[in-house]
Amino acid sequence: KQEVTQIPAALSVPEGENLVLNCSFTDSAIYNLQWFRQDPGKGLTSLLLIQSSQREQTSGRLNASLDKSSGRSTLYIAASQPGDSATYLCAVSPPYNTDKLIFGTGTRLQVFP
Amino acid sequence: NAGVTQTPKFRILKIGQSMTLQCTQDMNHNYMYWYRQDPGMGLKLIYYSVGAGITDKGEVPNGYNVSRSTTEDFPLRLELAAPSQTSVYFCASSYSITVSAEAFFGQGTRLTVV
Repeated sequence: KQEVTQIPAALSVPEGENLVLNCSFTDSAIYNLQWFRQDPGKGLTSLLLIQSSQREQTSGRLNASLDKSSGRSTLYIAASQPGDSATYLCAVSPPYNTDKLIFGTGTRLQVFP
Repeated sequence: NAGVTQTPKFRILKIGQSMTLQCTQDMNHNYMYWYRQDPGMGLKLIYYSVGAGITDKGEVPNGYNVSRSTTEDFPLRLELAAPSQTSVYFCASSYSITVSAEAFFGQGTRLTVV
């Protein structure tokens, strides 16, 4: 059974720091991996989607990498800002049932001025 | 450009009551999903649908029912509410199951059963 774990569960940093959020999954056979952002009381916003054949994706200050063989993905946030404060979730899509997403528990990020 | 819209945003139910959580999307997506998110936990799939008239169970379907009579709407029904169903519910949709598909989420419905 695929399990997705995110470390750390919470992170508090000063503005301007570069951050790395970690996501690990137990079954390396995945179809794709997505990173989401969730603001308090709001829905999820998709940030980046990495196909199983890709190694990384970039969007602005965000860079997500994927290492399927080791079952890991990292989300790199450059020059963090208070507006980046949110919970970040990763989710994998298993190859045997690609219309499902299995989510991690999230990393709650706070960036203070 | 509404995307995925859920109603209501908040609801308090008494044990044994029933209600329907509404979800509609205007992106002509074939795939729709219902997830629940418990405090400190990841999202768990309740039900999903790959197109109008087709639904299937997810990880935690017990106590819920769904229907998909149109492409746009995917309501989630709670027949006999129980305290264990206190959670935040998210509806999502995606265009397809191809590698390029992204999932779009609604704002969530916070449900409390007392």
